[in-house]
Amino acid sequence: DSGVTQTPKHLITATGQRVTLRCSPRSGDLSVYWYQQSLDQGLQFLIQYYNGEERAKGNILERFSAQQFPDLHSELNLSSLELGDSALYFCASRSTGAGGYTFGSGTRLTVV
Amino acid sequence: EDQVTQSPEALRLQEGESSSLNCSYTVSGLRGLFWYRQDPGKGPEFLFTLYSAGEEKEKERLKATLTKKESFLHITAPKPEDSATYLCAVPAGDTGFQKLVFGTGTRLLVSP
Repeated sequence: DSGVTQTPKHLITATGQRVTLRCSPRSGDLSVYWYQQSLDQGLQFLIQYYNGEERAKGNILERFSAQQFPDLHSELNLSSLELGDSALYFCASRSTGAGGYTFGSGTRLTVV
Repeated sequence: EDQVTQSPEALRLQEGESSSLNCSYTVSGLRGLFWYRQDPGKGPEFLFTLYSAGEEKEKERLKATLTKKESFLHITAPKPEDSATYLCAVPAGDTGFQKLVFGTGTRLLVSP
């Protein structure tokens, strides 16, 4: 157990639908990062939040959005889902300073 | 643009056959280089952080080293349980910690 909790572990949904992925960071970590990993592709950075504020955006589609709540958990919302959105979605958290990034076990999203 | 390149893409070893994985990077101001292990369908598991050229870190059969342009992950006398994808990454962004930029990884298969 890395200390980063992601739910659900698996999600199957139809095209056009909307889903919400949830991430609870390690205790005390203020930064949350979301990554997408498609089949046979590397980890692609989507978005970062720090203590409730958006800090950086990567290759995140306009159909995707995220937020970080006062208790520091984060949610990634994916809407108007397409088949190509099927992937593993990982959340990572990091404490301040030069520490490492700790990843959760991911949510496997399958769009049918 | 910050970039990480890993080689080889895939590596097959016999149990006990030592080898090295390469990670070359281009980043404006290195703030650390991270090595992760990823098993299929799982989240990346942190292995090492290296901060300056000449630094070395060891963990069981793994040793990571860093130069000004690349890092090596040396695997000594590997066992089948070392089979996984090994990822390297560097922090990037305006503040240096806004995201991790990952290489595409080296898939290691160790046969008994």
